[in-house]
Amino acid sequence: NAGVMQNPRHLVRRRGQEARLRCSPMKGHSHVYWYRQLPEEGLKFMVYLQKENIIDESGMPKERFSAEFPKEGPSILRIQQVVRGDSAAYFCASSFKEEQFFGPGTRLTVL
Amino acid sequence: KQEVTQIPAALSVPEGENLVLNCSFTDSAIYNLQWFRQDPGKGLTSLLLIQSSQREQTSGRLNASLDKSSGRSTLYIAASQPGDSATYLCAVKAGGTSYGKLTFGQGTILTVHP
Repeated sequence: NAGVMQNPRHLVRRRGQEARLRCSPMKGHSHVYWYRQLPEEGLKFMVYLQKENIIDESGMPKERFSAEFPKEGPSILRIQQVVRGDSAAYFCASSFKEEQFFGPGTRLTVL
Repeated sequence: KQEVTQIPAALSVPEGENLVLNCSFTDSAIYNLQWFRQDPGKGLTSLLLIQSSQREQTSGRLNASLDKSSGRSTLYIAASQPGDSATYLCAVKAGGTSYGKLTFGQGTILTVHP
């Protein structure tokens, strides 16, 4: 059973471009979480999704950020018009029950 | 609002020492608490998960305890090794549901030198 997969592992974007981060949960897991780790800061929750539904988006910035978890395919975290402050490591986790398993992360650099 | 604090922020010990990492949380109404390990530039590896009804969990040289009423957890590492060097993160999940977000502490950076 492969672990949580994230791609790309590293992503470089220029200011104003769009960033798309993908997360494939572990097989059988229908709960997906996105967290962000800013430089020199701890991990902060962004959004919790189940298939086709956003359950909790209390940690998502109000603008430019969106997330989806379609019936088929990976979960997508989308950042429009990126700014330098979006540079961070973005981690996805999935769960079947209460324990969350994390992917290796996508490191986004905004030039 | 739940806040999680980890002490110390950094710890450097010689190989072979037993050590304790501390985690405290402000809201005792938690569902569970997880300890993770993060290596530089890598993802998180789950070490131990303690349910709110449990007092401790053990895995190999690791032992985690939970005192929910006082809002504290400790991670005990026995006979430390250089391979234990990493950042250790504590995270709590709010009570009421087995699903939902984790609130993380800032982590303890552990260095074990030969």
